Amino acid sequence: QQQVKQSPQSLIVQKGGISIINCAYENTAFDYFPWYQQFPGKGPALLIAIRPDVSEKKEGRFTISFNKSAKQFSLHIMDSQPGDSATYFCAARQDSNYQLIWGAGTKLIIKP
Amino acid sequence: EAGVAQSPRYKIIEKRQSVAFWCNPISGHATLYWYQQILGQGPKLLIQFQNNGVVDDSQLPKDRFSAERLKGVDSTLKIQPAKLEDSAVYLCASSLVRSRTGELFFGEGSRLTVL
Repeated sequence: QQQVKQSPQSLIVQKGGISIINCAYENTAFDYFPWYQQFPGKGPALLIAIRPDVSEKKEGRFTISFNKSAKQFSLHIMDSQPGDSATYFCAARQDSNYQLIWGAGTKLIIKP
Repeated sequence: EAGVAQSPRYKIIEKRQSVAFWCNPISGHATLYWYQQILGQGPKLLIQFQNNGVVDDSQLPKDRFSAERLKGVDSTLKIQPAKLEDSAVYLCASSLVRSRTGELFFGEGSRLTVL
C-alpha cells in the first residue's frame, strides 16, 4: 500500500525560529502534494500545496520544498509564531483516483 | 460561504450501542468524504461519495459501519454496534468534482467516545 512517511512526530521551536517538517513517499503515482494545518477541535484546513513539476513554492512565511528524485518534500515555516502551534499533515494525491494519502502528522509547538 | 456542517460535535455511548453522524457539505460540492481520525494519527478515509454514488468504501468496516448520501447532498454515517476502538473523531469533508487543486474542505468533526 502506498505510504507517506512524516517526521518528526512532534516539534518545539522558539518564536522567530524556523520550523521544518519532512515527508517522504514511496512511488511516483502522485500528482499533488498538499499540507494541511489542524488546530485542536477543528478539521484540517489546506495550508499550501505543490505539484511535482515545481521544486519550491512560497506563500508568505510558508514554503514547500520538493525533491522529485529523492521522493521527499518538506514544509518550512519562517519566523514561527505562537499562532502557528498546530498539527501539520502532509499528503499526496493519487493520480488514478484523486484520493489523498496522509502522513501521520507533526504536532508543532512554538514557544513564546 | 457556509462551511461543512457536522453534528453532533460530541457523543458518548456504551459499547454495542448505535450512533449516527450527520454532514451537510458546502453547496455545490459533489464529492463528500467521511474520515476517521484516531488521536495522534492522520485522517483515514472511510467512504467517498460522488453525488449520491459510492466511489470508494474499501476501508469502511461494513459489518458495523454504514453511510448514505441521499439526493446527493447531506450524508449520514452510522455505527452499529459500536466497539471501544471506534472512539475517534469522524470528519466530513467535501470538494468540487475533480478540482484542479484537489482542496478538501473539512467540518469540525464529531468526537465519539465509546465506553
